[in-house]
Amino acid sequence: QVQLVQSGAEVKKPGSSVKVSCKASGGIFSSYGISWVRQAPGQGLEWMGRIIPILGLANYAQKFQGRVTITADKSTTTAYMELSSLRSEDTAVYYCARDSYSGVVSPPRDWGQGTLVTVSS
Amino acid sequence: DIVMTQSPDSLAVSLGERATINCKSSQSVLYSSNNKNCLAWYQQKPGQPPKLLIYWASTRESGVPDRFSGSGSGTDFTLTISSLQAEDVAVYYCQQYYSSPLLTFGGGTKVEIK
Repeated sequence: QVQLVQSGAEVKKPGSSVKVSCKASGGIFSSYGISWVRQAPGQGLEWMGRIIPILGLANYAQKFQGRVTITADKSTTTAYMELSSLRSEDTAVYYCARDSYSGVVSPPRDWGQGTLVTVSS
Repeated sequence: DIVMTQSPDSLAVSLGERATINCKSSQSVLYSSNNKNCLAWYQQKPGQPPKLLIYWASTRESGVPDRFSGSGSGTDFTLTISSLQAEDVAVYYCQQYYSSPLLTFGGGTKVEIK
């Protein structure tokens, strides 16, 4: 069973950027898709984007196009999500999650513990 | 984008009674390659990440109690908790992965004890 451990909580100013990390251990990293999902306080789950580390190609939800960058470092088995031009509405818990299976369509199974990002002046 | 609509937003069920949650997709999520529906259900408890309960619309994840079952096909799906237990109090989300890598979630259904 893979474990995903995310970086700690962040407080950011409006207009700045944040970069959250997600380190995978205990399983295969490169060939499984890693998604980023966020959850605003009291709200539902919102998919932001996904990367397959071995391919290095990321896909993004249209809502976040141009503002989010998802990358992965195979050497450290760590995925990253960077969100720029932060505004108060970006205050949320950000999760990374790994696909259930490699090479086939599948939902995320393993989730990180979440990282709270607070955007406040 | 495929839009997922859940109903109801919340429900209160007595312990031991059945809970039923509905999920409707704006287009079919039936995957022609294996004739299975790309529909998953998650359970989320306060302060925790979501937990995968069911995938392919009706396949229970390992370790998930058999009181949880999923059904449906095409655009209409149901999650049923056959006999609600106290530990089942949570928010439940459906998710389509038909348009993978683009994923979409339903709005969530909060299940409480009556």
